[in-house]
Amino acid sequence: ETGVTQSPTHLIKTRGQQVTLRCSSQSGHNTVSWYQQALGQGPQFIFQYYREEENGRGNFPPRFSGLQFPNYSSELNVNALELDDSALYLCASSLGGLAGEYEQYFGPGTRLTVT
Amino acid sequence: DQQVKQNSPSLSVQEGRISILNCDYTNSMFDYFLWYKKYPAEGPTFLISISSIKDKNEDGRFTVFLNKSAKHLSLHIVPSQPGDSAVYFCAVSGNTGKLIFGQGTTLQVKP
Repeated sequence: ETGVTQSPTHLIKTRGQQVTLRCSSQSGHNTVSWYQQALGQGPQFIFQYYREEENGRGNFPPRFSGLQFPNYSSELNVNALELDDSALYLCASSLGGLAGEYEQYFGPGTRLTVT
Repeated sequence: DQQVKQNSPSLSVQEGRISILNCDYTNSMFDYFLWYKKYPAEGPTFLISISSIKDKNEDGRFTVFLNKSAKHLSLHIVPSQPGDSAVYFCAVSGNTGKLIFGQGTTLQVKP
């Protein structure tokens, strides 16, 4: 059973550019959540996808968007990058959509630096 | 407005002793409470959880206690081992599947 994988590991972008981060869910998981972790902080919920539909969103602007594919892999897209978008981006897969009791399994994250 | 707080940024204990990590939350509607451990360059790893209908859950060296009246959660590690040195996050969840994390506590277990 493969775990959650993310690509790329590191990324450097310039302010105003667009970025796409990718996540491959753990086998059998139908739900993926994305989190942003700034330095010294805990992860903050961006949004969740369940069976290819957005299924909950945190306090992030619309320039943060996502997709989930039929094989349950996922993308996070960020447009018009700002310096404050520099962070570790984590995806987590789980079973059960909105059910809170299902464990979320995290990938190693993508470190995004915006200059 | 921080809904989940871990007031101790760091904790240092001797190998073999007990580590106690604490977490406070503000909303009594949360249903599930979880602890994650994070090593550098890795994603958070699920450690242990407890639902709001229980006050204690044990898994080997790890025990989580929930005090709903105080809105307080704690993780006890006994005995502590050097390999337990990591950042520990508490997280809470309602019926939305969204995890709300605390800021983390860095645990150092000294040999």
